[in-house]
Amino acid sequence: GDSVTQMEGPVTLSEEAFLTINCTYTATGYPSLFWYVQYPGEGLQLLLKATKADDKGSNKGFEATYRKETTSFHLEKGSVQVSDSAVYFCALSDQANSKLTFGKGITLSVRP
Amino acid sequence: DVKVTQSSRYLVKRTGEKVFLECVQDMDHENMFWYRQDPGLGLRLIYFSYDVKMKEKGDIPEGYSVSREKKERFSLILESASTNQTSMYLCASSSSGAPSNQPQHFGDGTRLSIL
Repeated sequence: GDSVTQMEGPVTLSEEAFLTINCTYTATGYPSLFWYVQYPGEGLQLLLKATKADDKGSNKGFEATYRKETTSFHLEKGSVQVSDSAVYFCALSDQANSKLTFGKGITLSVRP
Repeated sequence: DVKVTQSSRYLVKRTGEKVFLECVQDMDHENMFWYRQDPGLGLRLIYFSYDVKMKEKGDIPEGYSVSREKKERFSLILESASTNQTSMYLCASSSSGAPSNQPQHFGDGTRLSIL
């Protein structure tokens, strides 16, 4: 079945540091890929998405590129802020239905 | 903006009780989902629904049931609550356009404790 693997956390960075969060997937067919973010005490919000190979999703300074050859969708940001502290989830959506398969999530803490 | 509202942020119940978690969305979405979120396990799909009165099992349906009598409302039912059902429960909805392209919109979650 489909699966999503995220790097182990938690991650702690200083403000303005470069961020990479790794995500790889296993799926049949051609899934769409998503990054969701969960701020403390809230539900999940869509951060960005990519629907086909080589697509780049971007939002709020975050970027991720759909790499079919390496089955990866790594999240990057050039300069993190304290307000980026949250839990980040990578997910994929089966083309046949609307179900999402999530990774385990990773907690990012950014210190001033 | 899509609004997904879960009826309670925090809930405390006793073992053996029948528990109802309610979710309402205001965007006329066809699809609705119930997940539970546990540390180190991420989100796991319990049940989902593509239409009124329609339901399908997700990855961990045991001990749960659902009800969708109206399009905007999707209820999760713990038939006889047990302590291993203590968790954060998240409801989500999505439009059924090109299915794989439609993001899910989440509520703020219900933190349920079973004593």
